[in-house]
Amino acid sequence: AAGVIQSPRHLIKEKRETATLKCYPIPRHDTVYWYQQGPGQDPQFLISFYEKMQSDKGSIPDRFSAQQFSDYHSELNMSSLELGDSALYFCASSPDSSTDTQYFGPGTRLTVL
Amino acid sequence: GEDVEQSLFLSVREGDSSVINCTYTDSSSTYLYWYKQEPGAGLQLLTYIFSNMDMKQDQRLTVLLNKKDKHLSLRIADTQTGDSAIYFCASKGGGATNKLIFGTGTLLAVQP
Repeated sequence: AAGVIQSPRHLIKEKRETATLKCYPIPRHDTVYWYQQGPGQDPQFLISFYEKMQSDKGSIPDRFSAQQFSDYHSELNMSSLELGDSALYFCASSPDSSTDTQYFGPGTRLTVL
Repeated sequence: GEDVEQSLFLSVREGDSSVINCTYTDSSSTYLYWYKQEPGAGLQLLTYIFSNMDMKQDQRLTVLLNKKDKHLSLRIADTQTGDSAIYFCASKGGGATNKLIFGTGTLLAVQP
């Protein structure tokens, strides 16, 4: 079965640089979620989109922005990167169903040097 | 705000049953989930339970929900070394939000 695809899988950036993470949801899933997992931490919700509109917002820094495109893929843009942004970034997608069960991608490991 | 707590570590012998516990604070949680994360890997959905159920069984996995005490548990029967991983419980709140609030994760170590 098709899963959530994230790219790149690994990314190394320097402080103050920008990064763009991409997420391709499972086909026919119209909702996308972004989570950040720091080392040894539990995943923290950043932001979500439903039908290309932002549906919920969590602890996402102002330096980050995200959007969902017409083909339902999503991009997380991160600017002025800081050392503390080093983390695993997960994208999840869910169908428009009553359970809204979220299926996670493999994650993008971002390292900021 | 919402909070989800888990014990940090559990060690069992291969073939034994494992029970991982979770408590949550949001009484409006509609669904509760269990995810498995192997080292450096993504979050694999194991199972979920709707808040109006008190038990769900799926092969070796049994989920028990005590809504009154806001307590959730995951029992893994006949635990194997391949079950070694971090297990996260997560709650989905009621209302308009669909975000998941994750617990701190329980590291399950299975000894051969």
